[in-house]
Amino acid sequence: DIQMTQSPSTLSASVGDRVTITCRASQYISNWLAWYQLQPGKAPKLLIYKASSLESGVPARFSGSGSGTEFTLAISSLQPDDFATYYCQQYNSYPPTFGRGTTLEIK
Amino acid sequence: QVQVQQWGAGLLRPSETLSLTCAFSGESFTDHYWSWIRQPPGKGLEWIGDIIHSGTTNYNPSLKSRVTISVDTPKNQFSLKLTSVTAADTAIYYCARHTTYGVAPFDPWGQGTLVTVSS
Repeated sequence: DIQMTQSPSTLSASVGDRVTITCRASQYISNWLAWYQLQPGKAPKLLIYKASSLESGVPARFSGSGSGTEFTLAISSLQPDDFATYYCQQYNSYPPTFGRGTTLEIK
Repeated sequence: QVQVQQWGAGLLRPSETLSLTCAFSGESFTDHYWSWIRQPPGKGLEWIGDIIHSGTTNYNPSLKSRVTISVDTPKNQFSLKLTSVTAADTAIYYCARHTTYGVAPFDPWGQGTLVTVSS
C-alpha cells in the first residue's frame, strides 16, 4: 500500500491568515492526489483533485500543488468556515489511501 | 443534483455483523464505482472497498476476509456487510461515489453513519 504522510497534524491560525498543509507519498503517484475537508456532522467535501484542479463550487482561496511524491494544499485568507480537518488521498493505485489528517484550529 | 442517503444499525455487540445500505439518486448509477470508507474516533480515513453495477468488487486487503459489498442496481443501492465486529470497528462509516471509473477521488459522500461496537 502507498503510505501518505501529512504534516502538520494540527495547525493553529487566525481568520485572514494563509496556511499550507503538506502531504508526502511513500512512492511516485504522478498527480493522482485529492484533498478533502471534513467537518463534524457534515458529509466530507472534495476540494482538489489531480493535485491542483479545483473542484466545482470550491472557493478560489483553496489551491493545490505538487507532483510525484510531494504535495501541498494552501488556503489563503482563512475564513471561519475553513477551520476543519483536511485529508489528502492518493488514487494512483489500489487500495486508495489517505493521510492521517491535519486539524486547522482557530488561534 | 446527486443525493445520497445511507442507513443501518448504529449499535452492535462484538461478533455481530455490521450492515449498512447506501442509496443514490439524481445521476446514472451505472456510470460510476461506489465505495465504503470509515473513520474510527480520533483516527484517519480508511477505504473499505468498492463495487460497480455489474457486481465486481475491490476490497482493502486489511478487511477483505470480513467484508462483502453488494449492489442492487434497479434500486440504485449498494450495501456493506462486515462480519465478526470488534470494538476496533467502531467508526463513522461513509458511502461515496467515485468521480471516474476505477480508483478515483470520492464525491459526493454520504453524511456518515456512526457504528458503535460495545458489549
